[in-house]
Amino acid sequence: AQRVTQPEKLLSVFKGAPVELKCNYSYSGSPELFWYVQYSRQRLQLLLRHISRESIKGFTADLNKGETSFHLKKPFAQEEDSAMYYCAGGKLIFGQGTELSVKP
Amino acid sequence: GAVVSQHPSWVICKSGTSVKIECRSLDFQATTMFWYRQFPKQSLMLMATSNEGSKATYEQGVEKDKFLINHASLTLSTLTVTSAHPEDSSFYICSARMGGMNTEAFFGQGTRLTVV
Repeated sequence: AQRVTQPEKLLSVFKGAPVELKCNYSYSGSPELFWYVQYSRQRLQLLLRHISRESIKGFTADLNKGETSFHLKKPFAQEEDSAMYYCAGGKLIFGQGTELSVKP
Repeated sequence: GAVVSQHPSWVICKSGTSVKIECRSLDFQATTMFWYRQFPKQSLMLMATSNEGSKATYEQGVEKDKFLINHASLTLSTLTVTSAHPEDSSFYICSARMGGMNTEAFFGQGTRLTVV
């Protein structure tokens, strides 16, 4: 069965620090992976997808098939990055979510 | 960007009654729509996936007779919670996409259902 795992429920960093939100997947075939973000009192929105290889708001995510991971990274966190981050895969099955808190 | 709208945003119903939640893609045609349930402080749990004109595919453990999903057109899907019980109280979210599995899905604002 398709599964997406985000091991960290909460990640707290200071402004300017690097950020890495972990995501691991387990399903066969070519993975389709996404990162969605939910800012306070807003609906979920796409942050980035692995097929695009793009950088959005300074975030990047690299698909590592060997480690079955799709970790989200940003070199310098900003306060406005504070939000819930969800990794999703395949038929839009979501991981547990990681709350990112960036402190001033 | 594309907009997905859910109606109503919140609803209170009595135990034993049925309630219908609508999900509309306002400015695009959605080939696939998804329904999720979200418990407090938890992630989204996929309930079912529906393609226009065909029966919904339910995830394991989701009762298809309890959660009726209809995707009658490319812009509308409905979720009907039948014979609602207090344990059905939850936040229900729909999303829609216009292409294949690698395309972006757009999310509704969610519907808060309270069964009393």
